[in-house]
Amino acid sequence: EDQVTQSPEALRLQEGESSSLNCSYTVSGLRGLFWYRQDPGKGPEFLFTLYSAGEEKEKERLKATLTKKESFLHITAPKPEDSATYLCAVQPGSARQLTFGSGTQLTVLP
Amino acid sequence: EAQVTQNPRYLITVTGKKLTVTCSQNMNHEYMSWYRQDPGLGLRQIYYSMNVEVTDKGDVPEGYKVSRKEKRNFPLILESPSPNQTSLYFCASSSLAGINEQFFGPGTRLTVL
Repeated sequence: EDQVTQSPEALRLQEGESSSLNCSYTVSGLRGLFWYRQDPGKGPEFLFTLYSAGEEKEKERLKATLTKKESFLHITAPKPEDSATYLCAVQPGSARQLTFGSGTQLTVLP
Repeated sequence: EAQVTQNPRYLITVTGKKLTVTCSQNMNHEYMSWYRQDPGLGLRQIYYSMNVEVTDKGDVPEGYKVSRKEKRNFPLILESPSPNQTSLYFCASSSLAGINEQFFGPGTRLTVL
């Protein structure tokens, strides 16, 4: 069974304090791993796709990396507007579905 | 503006009273999907559709029905809602080639008493 586990469940940072969120997965034949951002009261919004181990993607203060067992979302010098829940999802090789983790709720304090 | 719309946004109902949550997208996407989101459980897929008249079960389909008669619309039907279907529901759409990049609606918060 495909599984996605995110840690920590919640993270509080001071503005400018860099950190990383973790997404570990077990999946049969990974087709891709994806990161989404979800603001309170809204639907998730797509951030990144990673296809193979060693791949990295960047967007502003966020950088996503992928290994064979996990992905990290690195947040460099975060700002309060980065506060959100970050969701990780995987697509198994043969599936037309995504399996989501339960998310990390990030709070960045000014 | 490219968007996925859902209606209603909030709904309180009683056990057994049939309801429909509508979903519409204006991006000509082939792929549409329904998810429910519960605390600690994340997003779980209920049903998905790869095109008109093509639907398939997701991970938690019990108690739900869907239909895809038009490309833009994908309604979610609860024929006899129960309290364990109280949840936050999201509709999403994407191209068939890009289901990694799904566009989500604003959500429907359903309470079944």
